[in-house]
Amino acid sequence: EPEVTQTPSHQVTQMGQEVILRCVPISNHLYFYWYRQILGQKVEFLVSFYNNEISEKSEIFDDQFSVERPDGSNFTLKIRSTKLEDSAMYFCASTRRVTDTQYFGPGTRLTVL
Amino acid sequence: GDSVTQMEGPVTLSEEAFLTINCTYTATGYPSLFWYVQYPGEGLQLLLKATKADDKGSNKGFEATYRKETTSFHLEKGSVQVSDSAVYFCALHMNRDDKIIFGKGTRLHILP
Repeated sequence: EPEVTQTPSHQVTQMGQEVILRCVPISNHLYFYWYRQILGQKVEFLVSFYNNEISEKSEIFDDQFSVERPDGSNFTLKIRSTKLEDSAMYFCASTRRVTDTQYFGPGTRLTVL
Repeated sequence: GDSVTQMEGPVTLSEEAFLTINCTYTATGYPSLFWYVQYPGEGLQLLLKATKADDKGSNKGFEATYRKETTSFHLEKGSVQVSDSAVYFCALHMNRDDKIIFGKGTRLHILP
């Protein structure tokens, strides 16, 4: 069964550094998402992406964040200058149609020191 | 705004016990409802879903029925196993929106 994959599984970085989290959505999916889960808290929506542009973003998704689909398979989340409070599990998700079920990847645990 | 409320955990049960995890929602409209499960060290997996009132979602012995009159989607399982130990998230999705809205999650511990 096709699945969403994410790399790396765990990223440790120093405060102020840039990080790029990578996702490979399911191949025939057209809508892509990032969510995050701060330890012990609920999963929160960050951003959705369709047709090479952001279609919706939350108030969390400020100018420090950006997303890109650099080629036909990868979908990336960049955090320009990481803060301690960016430490979280970041989940990528994808779906074929916006009304369909979103399928989640295994997550990348980001630790900012 | 739209939201999901689920029972606080952790919930600790013995193997073969009956499980209920309560979930209620607030939405302006008719959402699709989901239960996702997160096993230790893993990502979010879709457990079951229901897209309209009175639909019952089921998978791996778990069930939940979409109750519009009580705005609820409680998760049940008749006989839990140690391998069911995980965090369970109730969630909703409105067709007009991109995002899924999650509850806070309920940690379930099953003792052998």
